[in-house]
Amino acid sequence: DQQVKQNSPSLSVQEGRISILNCDYTNSMFDYFLWYKKYPAEGPTFLISISSIKDKNEDGRFTVFLNKSAKHLSLHIVPSQPGDSAVYFCAAPLGWFYGGSQGNLIFGKGTKLSVKP
Amino acid sequence: DVKVTQSSRYLVKRTGEKVFLECVQDMDHENMFWYRQDPGLGLRLIYFSYDVKMKEKGDIPEGYSVSREKKERFSLILESASTNQTSMYLCASTAGGGNSPLHFGNGTRLTVT
Repeated sequence: DQQVKQNSPSLSVQEGRISILNCDYTNSMFDYFLWYKKYPAEGPTFLISISSIKDKNEDGRFTVFLNKSAKHLSLHIVPSQPGDSAVYFCAAPLGWFYGGSQGNLIFGKGTKLSVKP
Repeated sequence: DVKVTQSSRYLVKRTGEKVFLECVQDMDHENMFWYRQDPGLGLRLIYFSYDVKMKEKGDIPEGYSVSREKKERFSLILESASTNQTSMYLCASTAGGGNSPLHFGNGTRLTVT
């Protein structure tokens, strides 16, 4: 059973417009969420995160919104740029283990964003 | 900057071969991970390690083993490679404590023929 779902495999947006990437989760025990960005032939890089005690976290052009009652989060990119074209993964830590770090991350299947000039 | 280095970008191996994928990180991180990425399936955790000589199974450990003899190095071993292990393999590390993010290497594209 998929605990983190990204139902849109792809999204195409015009440069300068807003990109909205969506993610749903089923496990109400998740209390922290992350977004990673991946370019072809590179490893994923951490983009932004949000704790469940917040409903919004902003970092420059990137904002993540969390709706706990709907078990839904979204990543907004404003304005979108061609360099934002990548695969975006939503992720949540499955549980804490020794060291209390992020531990085992459950990833969604990813959404491929294409920003057209 | 954290650097996670995977020894090979591309590998081609034959069915039945024993395959070693090597990963080294330079930030003294306690925790290291091996994921594989497949189209339409996202990233799936194979094994992870939170200390030298310690290892834990992830979601899809079958057909794999790992070795962590030194803190900076985490090796993934395919005991007898099969075609369904053709994939992109990603190593990652993170420091213990708090919500420190995973740092990924650039991946190894393994093709098993």
